[in-house]
Amino acid sequence: ETGVTQTPRHLVMGMTNKKSLKCEQHLGHNAMYWYKQSAKKPLELMFVYSLEERVENNSVPSRFSPECPNSSHLFLHLHTLQPEDSALYLCASSPGGGRLRETQYFGPGTRLLVL
Amino acid sequence: LAKTTQPISMDSYEGQEVNITCSHNNIATNDYITWYQQFPSQGPRFIIQGYKTKVTNEVASLFIPADRKSSTLSLPRVSLSDTAVYYCLVGDKAKAAGNKLTFGGGTRVLVKP
Repeated sequence: ETGVTQTPRHLVMGMTNKKSLKCEQHLGHNAMYWYKQSAKKPLELMFVYSLEERVENNSVPSRFSPECPNSSHLFLHLHTLQPEDSALYLCASSPGGGRLRETQYFGPGTRLLVL
Repeated sequence: LAKTTQPISMDSYEGQEVNITCSHNNIATNDYITWYQQFPSQGPRFIIQGYKTKVTNEVASLFIPADRKSSTLSLPRVSLSDTAVYYCLVGDKAKAAGNKLTFGGGTRVLVKP
C-alpha cells in the first residue's frame, strides 16, 4: 500500500465509449503524474500536474484528457480510444513541485483493454 | 529525461550480488539518478537515488562515477523476491524533457534458487 489508489483496477471499453480513470493520493503530496505502460515498451510519462506547472508529453494523443481538480485527485478522461491504447495506466504522486528527481509513489494501475 | 540504456535482462542465483549498469551519456548538470523496482501488475517502487559518488540504503547501493555518464545499482545477496524489472530514471524538470518522457526499457532480473 503506497498511499496512492486507482480506480477501476480493470477496464474494458469499446472504441466509441467515454470513460474516466481516477487516482487519489493520501500522502499530502503536491504533484501527480499519469504514465502509460504498454507491453514490451518503456514506461511513458503522459502528464504531470504540480503547484508549479502542468507538463504534457507532446506525443500523447488528444483522446486522452487529464483533469486535476486538486492536489489529491487526478483523472484521465478517455474517448474514442484505439486498440493500441490498451495498456497499464499508472498514477503517481510526489511531495514537491513535480520534478523528476523527487521520489514518486505509484498506484497499482488500471489495466485498460480497448476492443 | 536523459536517454538511458540498460541491459534487457540478467539472471542470478539466490545469495549472489547483482549489479545493473545504466548508461546516460547526455546527463545534465541538474539531473538526479533514480532507480525503481517493478513487480508484475504493480506500479514501480522507489529503491534509491543519487547525484554523484556512492549512496547506500538498507536495500541497495548506487555507484556513480565522477563523469556521471553511467550508474550501477548493486543488490546484495538477492533472494527470489528480488525478481522484478529495475528501471533507471535520469532527469530533473519534466518540462525540460519535452516529449521524450520515458523511463527507459528497464532490466528484467530473474533470481533462481
